[in-house]
Amino acid sequence: ETGVTQTPRHLVMGMTNKKSLKCEQHLGHNAMYWYKQSAKKPLELMFVYSLEERVENNSVPSRFSPECPNSSHLFLHLHTLQPEDSALYLCASSQVLGAGEWDIQYFGAGTRLSVL
Amino acid sequence: AQKITQTQPGMFVQEKEAVTLDCTYDTSDQSYGLFWYKQPSSGEMIFLIYQGSYDEQNATEGRYSLNFQKARKSANLVISASQLGDSAMYFCAMREGGQAGTALIFGKGTTLSVSS
Repeated sequence: ETGVTQTPRHLVMGMTNKKSLKCEQHLGHNAMYWYKQSAKKPLELMFVYSLEERVENNSVPSRFSPECPNSSHLFLHLHTLQPEDSALYLCASSQVLGAGEWDIQYFGAGTRLSVL
Repeated sequence: AQKITQTQPGMFVQEKEAVTLDCTYDTSDQSYGLFWYKQPSSGEMIFLIYQGSYDEQNATEGRYSLNFQKARKSANLVISASQLGDSAMYFCAMREGGQAGTALIFGKGTTLSVSS
């Protein structure tokens, strides 16, 4: 079983739909992240949850709503998306260490989202 | 200004040859971490190697080494003895400051093609 699992791998939705992306990590980590990867743009952080509390949301539109019910699961709820939201959404997890120590973020395979 | 710059959109190398992927970074922090990830066509971001700003020795992980030149603010990835399976997109990333659980800042990536 891979360390970080994302479902679904592919999703096509209309602008009026509501859907959710799921991420599960099996690494015992205490931080989880959502990143967005659009064509020809660097990966952008959307949300960070550390110890199950959101610590950064990076000015993401409200049509994206994260949920972290426990340290192993992370969701991204989607509603009334726009075509420009079509992208690869990547989830990552890490074990937050002490100050000055670098935690490695491990990624899932992503959900490729198409908004029609 | 870009925090992470990868100037090579594409690189081509033959099997068994070594290849260097360039990365320069921009930060005023004294404490930062530099990371390299590989992204095959499947989409998953695979962690390869990292270097802390205070590490004096260049990091190595198997066939991967990180050529860290602090004064030049460069963190090039060297892949020795390239294999066909190394064909992928490679991203350089940075985390700033001593606080763990924060975002990775990614470059735009370099596509590496390995031929037989």
